[in-house]
Amino acid sequence: DAKTTQPPSMDCAEGRAANLPCNHSTISGNEYVYWYRQIHSQGPQYIIHGLKNNETNEMASLIITEDRKSSTLILPHATLRDTAVYYCIVRVRGGSQGNLIFGKGTKLSVKP
Amino acid sequence: DGGITQSPKYLFRKEGQNVTLSCEQNLNHDAMYWYRQDPGQGLRLIYYSQIVNDFQKGDIAEGYSVSREKKESFPLTVTSAQKNPTAFYLCASSNAYSTGELFFGEGSRLTVL
Repeated sequence: DAKTTQPPSMDCAEGRAANLPCNHSTISGNEYVYWYRQIHSQGPQYIIHGLKNNETNEMASLIITEDRKSSTLILPHATLRDTAVYYCIVRVRGGSQGNLIFGKGTKLSVKP
Repeated sequence: DGGITQSPKYLFRKEGQNVTLSCEQNLNHDAMYWYRQDPGQGLRLIYYSQIVNDFQKGDIAEGYSVSREKKESFPLTVTSAQKNPTAFYLCASSNAYSTGELFFGEGSRLTVL
């Protein structure tokens, strides 16, 4: 599975949009982009995933560039409870998940 | 409610002792995984299992053992051979034939005294 690059930390004001970038320049054509988040001392939580079209659900939006080499997770109105580490992962959907790579992610701090 | 249950949440052990961490899921998922997380680090894969009675080593399997006798259960044993076992251990499961995302338990924090 392709590797991803994320900034180690970001700050966001409460109520504003949080835009978390992810670079995945070696992504293959059949690899999806997945986002998870981990609140301190809890298990990671799935947020959203996509292949090439932009996706939106009740938690977030995922914007994938046309060349698929990068993506942005958008939390439209960040709250204090969104403070967490956010992981961007690329992998083949439905394939073996033995090679999932959870890097260090981006630590998002939402401030009042 | 469906989900993954890990126990115990906190565990202390003396050096030289084996300890087993429990992971149970009622999501009817085929695949289950064990990850280790150290402070400020990402997750590292220890073992995973795609079907009952079969499992594969991950990146850091040395000093650990697993079994998969039932679909819903995937216990992890941290043996005395694991040199630095103090860590946060996370179990996950997935159904590879649906959307494919991982569902995680709440974790077990092991401290070696």
